[in-house]
Amino acid sequence: AAGVIQSPRHLIKEKRETATLKCYPIPRHDTVYWYQQGPGQDPQFLISFYEKMQSDKGSIPDRFSAQQFSDYHSELNMSSLELGDSALYFCASSLGGLDEKLFFGSGTQLSVL
Amino acid sequence: QKEVEQNSGPLSVPEGAIASLNCTYSDRGSQSFFWYRQYSGKSPELIMSIYSNGDKEDGRFTAQLNKASQYVSLLIRDSQPSDSATYLCAGGGYNAGGTSYGKLTFGQGTILTVHP
Repeated sequence: AAGVIQSPRHLIKEKRETATLKCYPIPRHDTVYWYQQGPGQDPQFLISFYEKMQSDKGSIPDRFSAQQFSDYHSELNMSSLELGDSALYFCASSLGGLDEKLFFGSGTQLSVL
Repeated sequence: QKEVEQNSGPLSVPEGAIASLNCTYSDRGSQSFFWYRQYSGKSPELIMSIYSNGDKEDGRFTAQLNKASQYVSLLIRDSQPSDSATYLCAGGGYNAGGTSYGKLTFGQGTILTVHP
């Protein structure tokens, strides 16, 4: 069965650089979520999109932005990277509507040096 | 106080035993609850979802929800070494329009070790 695809798997950046993370949801899933997970921490909700519109916003820094495209894939853009942005970034998708079961991608490990 | 709290771990049980994982939540607006399993460095994997008071069984897993007590639990019967992982409890809800809220709030996780 198709799963949530994230790219890249690993990303190394330097401070003040920018990064773009991509997410391809499970086919027919119209809702995408982004989570950030620091070492030993639980996943923290960043932002979500339903039918290409932002549906909810969590603890996402102003330096980050995201969008969902017409093919439902989503991109998380991160600018002016800081050391504290180093984390595992997960994308998840769901069928939306009343179905809140989230299926997670393998994540992107971002390291900011 | 976190919105979703899990009992402090780590939890260690012998193979074949029952592992009991507990979770409490503070937001009475939460309507749905989930248990995810996460292996180190891997993504969370959905194990169980529960929306109504009572028990829900799926194979070796049983989720229990008590909305009055704001309490969710997960029982793993006949624990296997492959069950060793971090278990995340998550709560969600619905927005006023009735469509999916989708923003899950996770607990801090309980590390489970099943030893042979």
